This record gives sequence, C-alpha cells and structure tokens, in this order.
Amino acid sequence: ETGVTQSPTHLIKTRGQQVTLRCSSQSGHNTVSWYQQALGQGPQFIFQYYREEENGRGNFPPRFSGLQFPNYSSELNVNALELDDSALYLCASGRTGRNTIYFGEGSWLTVV
Amino acid sequence: DQQVKQNSPSLSVQEGRISILNCDYTNSMFDYFLWYKKYPAEGPTFLISISSIKDKNEDGRFTVFLNKSAKHLSLHIVPSQPGDSAVYFCAASANRGSTLGRLYFGRGTQLTVWP
Repeated sequence: ETGVTQSPTHLIKTRGQQVTLRCSSQSGHNTVSWYQQALGQGPQFIFQYYREEENGRGNFPPRFSGLQFPNYSSELNVNALELDDSALYLCASGRTGRNTIYFGEGSWLTVV
Repeated sequence: DQQVKQNSPSLSVQEGRISILNCDYTNSMFDYFLWYKKYPAEGPTFLISISSIKDKNEDGRFTVFLNKSAKHLSLHIVPSQPGDSAVYFCAASANRGSTLGRLYFGRGTQLTVWP
C-alpha cells in the first residue's frame, strides 16, 4: 500500500482525442512525477511537479502537460492522442528530503 | 539512449537459492540507485536503494551491491521464495541532494522462482 491512487485504471481513446489521468498522493508528499511505460520497456520520465510548478521534464512533446494541486492530487493531460501513446501511465509521489518515491498502480491507456 | 541497462530479460531460480539480478549504467553523474519490484497489474513497489557513497546496503533477504568503477550494481535475494517472482527494475538518479528527481529505469528482469 503506497498511498498513491490513480484513476481511471483502464481507458480506450480514439486517435486525436484528449485524455486526462488523475493521481492522488499521500498527505505531505509535495513532489509528483509521471512516467510512461510501454510494453517490454522500463518506465520513462515525463515530468515532475513540485509546489504546483513543473520541475523537470523528459523527452516528451508539449502535448503532454500536467497540473499539481494543493490537496496532493495531480493530473496528466495528453492532447492529440497518437497510437504510440498507448501505454501504462504511472504516477509517483514523494517528499522533499526523502530519497524514495512511491508509485500508484497506473492507468492503462489504449489509443485506437 | 539507454543509460541504465538490465541485460538479462529473465532469470529462473529454484526456491531457497540465491537470485542475482544485474544492472549497468553509463552516466557517471548517477549517485543514487533503487530497485523496484513489479507484479502484473500493479505499480512498481520500492525494494531497496543505495547511495554512491556506499558499496553495499542490506535489508532482510535483499542486498544491493554497487561497484562504481565498473558502473555496475546487483541485487541479491537470499533465500529466494516463489512470492519473489516478478519483474525487477533497476533505476538511477543524479540526485544532487536529498530530494529524488528524475529516475532512469532499465527494461527490467523477469524473475521466476520455482519450487
């Protein structure tokens, strides 16, 4: 039990559509990161938020965007979905001063 | 460019024996390393970590060894149990402090422990 919950667990979208994935972190976790895991690959860093501002970004285009809210929740938004966006999206939260982050169970996105 | 590599996609070990999972990295700026375990339909679960100022960290049945000169780390599980069967991910970070930033992951090793 990591205290990190994600929704929805599974969803199917059509190419070109937009999707919003949600994450609720543990109380006190002030950093949140999002990762994309394609089949047979390790998680790839999308971006990290700290105090509601983006604090680092991986090699993902601007159509991937995020928000972090004061109540320890966050969102990942993906616009203009492409078939290659089909993957498991993982949210991970942590606390400044601590060297561990905790993952949620992920949201499986299928783009058709 | 894969900065963290797990060259063995799978490992099969008998129950009670030692499991050794290996990981190599290329970025000399990495100073913090973690191992995560992942069951199907679940998110990665943190197992154990090690800072680059150490060469060994132990937690129960799990021990991580770090060889900085070789840019290599390994996870030892002794004794292995059937419940350890999962995908194991090695991850690294250029921490630059006490707050964890971006993690770079390997592709994972599927461990199967058979009775």
